[in-house]
Parts: sequence; C-alpha cells; structure tokens
Amino acid sequence: DTAVSQTPKYLVTQMGNDKSIKCEQNLGHDTMYWYKQDSKKFLKIMFSYNNKELIINETVPNRFSPKSPDKAHLNLHINSLELGDSAVYFCASSPDLGTPNEYNEQFFGPGTRLTVL
Amino acid sequence: QKEVEQDPGPLSVPEGAIVSLNCTYSNSAFQYFMWYRQYSRKGPELLMYTYSSGNKEDGRFTAQVDKSSKYISLFIRDSQPSDSATYLCAMSAGPGGYQKVTFGIGTKLQVIP
Repeated sequence: DTAVSQTPKYLVTQMGNDKSIKCEQNLGHDTMYWYKQDSKKFLKIMFSYNNKELIINETVPNRFSPKSPDKAHLNLHINSLELGDSAVYFCASSPDLGTPNEYNEQFFGPGTRLTVL
Repeated sequence: QKEVEQDPGPLSVPEGAIVSLNCTYSNSAFQYFMWYRQYSRKGPELLMYTYSSGNKEDGRFTAQVDKSSKYISLFIRDSQPSDSATYLCAMSAGPGGYQKVTFGIGTKLQVIP
C-alpha cells in the first residue's frame, strides 16, 4: 500500500553516464514533484508537473529531463552525470484541493540516493 | 541572503523537555507555513501547517507564525526519543502545485532518554 514509490533506492554510477529514476504514486494526486537534497540536507524543488504538464521548472541544468507518461508517474532522466549530481532525489505528489486557505500537502517518496564516482 | 533561514543544529535535549525550533524568512509573499519532519534515510512528512498568522496546536506540537517579524516557530512539549529527527520549515505563497515550496535547511533534533 505504498503511497509514493521510487526506484531504485540506491544508484551508484560513473561520471558521464546516463541514468533514470522512476516515481509512481497511487494516491490519485494531480501534481508531482522532483526535489534534490544535497549533502547539507538542503531540499530544493527541481520540477513539478500537473496532469502531465510541466508547471515549475527551477534553474536546473538541461541534463535533467523529467517525463510524465501519465499523472501517476514522473520519471527523471539525467544525462552526462557529474560529481555534483550526487545527492538524494525525492519524488513527491500532492492533491489539488481547490479549497481556499488549505495547503495541498506534499507526500514524499523514500528517496533515491545517487552517488556519482 | 537565503529566502528561508533555519539553524541546522544539532539540538540535543533531555526527554520531557520543551523544544523550540524556528525559522526566519524574507519573502513577504509567503502565506502558508509548514513544518515537516524527516527521519534519517526517509522522506519528509508533514507535521502541521498554518495559513497566514497565528497559532495552531496539534497534540504536543504548536506552530506559531508572526508575519510582522517574518518569524515562525514550532514548539514540542514533553519531547520523546521518537521525536529525534530533522525538522524542516517550509513556506509558500500559495497552497501548492503552481507555487513552489521553499524549505529551510532543517534542524536536527536529538531527544536523549
């Protein structure tokens, strides 16, 4: 009964490689996100999608490309991996409550720990 | 200057103590103020949120927002070892989705039995 799942949990790879991280949510949410948490534990938004459409695109190198095949999935593909890409990547999802003054809670996945050697 | 400032700690307290965690921010547009808890090697989970100014209480947890000072706090009463985690404040100009949520760096809390 996992709500937001990510695969793989750990990813160790060489510089220059291309890798993908997959995310799935079974909560029926409309919005999904990718966050990066660096070694100092700073959690920063990268992208968000609403019903498969990109709505937030922070200043992220274009080596990072999100893809949303349907509203339950948001994958992250990274080309030409660099040492500085080493971090924990979190996927999250939230509903669109449409209720004034009510926060649309973001539910986070367990994270994917990426290590670039 | 970061949009959201938070002391990373670590903060170490004895069991039963009252814990005070806080954040300051610079963006006047922030209207939603959240506290997330993150256990080691897990994703963050929402503890509570406040819309605009004021206080909110949920069991042993109380969140306070002072928009005039751009200062938010989380109080934990009767702290337990199970409260040991990193607490991240987070803020947004809107309820989510189309408005990004900006997180603080998180304060690591250890409650000693």
